Amino acid sequence: KQEVTQIPAALSVPEGENLVLNCSFTDSAIYNLQWFRQDPGKGLTSLLLIQSSQREQTSGRLNASLDKSSGRSTLYIAASQPGDSATYLCFPFDFGNEKLTFGTGTRLTIIP
Amino acid sequence: NAGVTQTPKFQVLKTGQSMTLQCAQDMNHEYMSWYRQDPGMGLRLIHYSVGAGITDQGEVPNGYNVSRSTTEDFPLRLLSAAPSQTSVYFCASSYSTQGMNTEAFFGQGTRLTVV
Repeated sequence: KQEVTQIPAALSVPEGENLVLNCSFTDSAIYNLQWFRQDPGKGLTSLLLIQSSQREQTSGRLNASLDKSSGRSTLYIAASQPGDSATYLCFPFDFGNEKLTFGTGTRLTIIP
Repeated sequence: NAGVTQTPKFQVLKTGQSMTLQCAQDMNHEYMSWYRQDPGMGLRLIHYSVGAGITDQGEVPNGYNVSRSTTEDFPLRLLSAAPSQTSVYFCASSYSTQGMNTEAFFGQGTRLTVV
């Protein structure tokens, strides 16, 4: 059974800093990995999808990397803004598994 | 393109009542699933379906029924609501869970309160 861990569980940083969120997964045989953000009381917004043939994917100030051999993905946020405050979730699609599991999430707070 | 549509957005039930949460997608996705989200528990898989006529249990299936008669729709039924089913419910779909076309799309959620 795939287990997905995100560390840290919560993170507070001053506005303007660059930061890295981590996602670890136990079964490294994955197809794609998706990063979402969730604002309090809201739904999930897809941020980035990294395919297994890619090592990273970029969208604006966000960059996600994928290292399947080590079972890790990172989400890099550059020049953080208060609007980045949310919970960030990673979501791997692994071989032969139809019971898709979310990471535990990192709750990010950007301090103005 | 509507994506994944969940109805209702909010619902209050009395203990013992039944109801159906609706989920529909217009992307011709084979895979659909239901999650519940509780504070401190993250998103947990309730039931999923890999195609019309095929459903299976997830991590927390007790108290919920599903069926998949069409590709588009995947309703979640609560037969006798309990306060422990107070939660936010999310429906998701994907073309597949296997292969390079895997990408999840989520509905906006249904906030259910059982009193």
